[in-house]
Amino acid sequence: KQEVTQIPAALSVPEGENLVLNCSFTDSAIYNLQWFRQDPGKGLTSLLLIQSSQREQTSGRLNASLDKSSGRSTLYIAASQPGDSATYLCAVWDNDMRFGAGTRLTVKP
Amino acid sequence: GAVVSQHPSWVICKSGTSVKIECRSLDFQATTMFWYRQFPKQSLMLMATSNEGSKATYEQGVEKDKFLINHASLTLSTLTVTSAHPEDSSFYICSAREPQRGREQYFGPGTRLTVT
Repeated sequence: KQEVTQIPAALSVPEGENLVLNCSFTDSAIYNLQWFRQDPGKGLTSLLLIQSSQREQTSGRLNASLDKSSGRSTLYIAASQPGDSATYLCAVWDNDMRFGAGTRLTVKP
Repeated sequence: GAVVSQHPSWVICKSGTSVKIECRSLDFQATTMFWYRQFPKQSLMLMATSNEGSKATYEQGVEKDKFLINHASLTLSTLTVTSAHPEDSSFYICSAREPQRGREQYFGPGTRLTVT
């Protein structure tokens, strides 16, 4: 059974820092990997979707990479802002979608 | 496009009563819908997968007689929590998938259920 792990569980940084969130998965036979943002008490906002044939995707200050062979993905956030404070979830697609527990990010002004 | 709504956004009910949550795809036909549950500070856990017109497939450990899922149309799926108890209090999120759009799931905004 696919297991998805996210490290760290929580992260607090000062505004302006670049940061990396990590996601690992146990079964490399995945279709895609997707990063989401979740604000407290809210639903999911899709940030980046990386297809299994791709190595990375970029959107604005966000860059996500995928290394299927090692079962890892990273989400890089450049020049962090207080508005980036949220929980970031990694999800892998195999037959279903399996989520990690998330990284709770706090960006301090 | 690909908007999914949920109703209600939050609900409070008394222990022993039943509550129904609706999930609608607003601008596409969802042949498959998924129901997830999220406890505080935990991740989303898949509860069940429903295909329009057929019975839902439940994940191991999810009681199908307690969490009734109906997917009677291509735009609506409902989750009924029967005889709710305080331990059922959680955030329930649905998602929908349309074959023409591939395997991507589009998520609803979630429903906060509190059982007193």
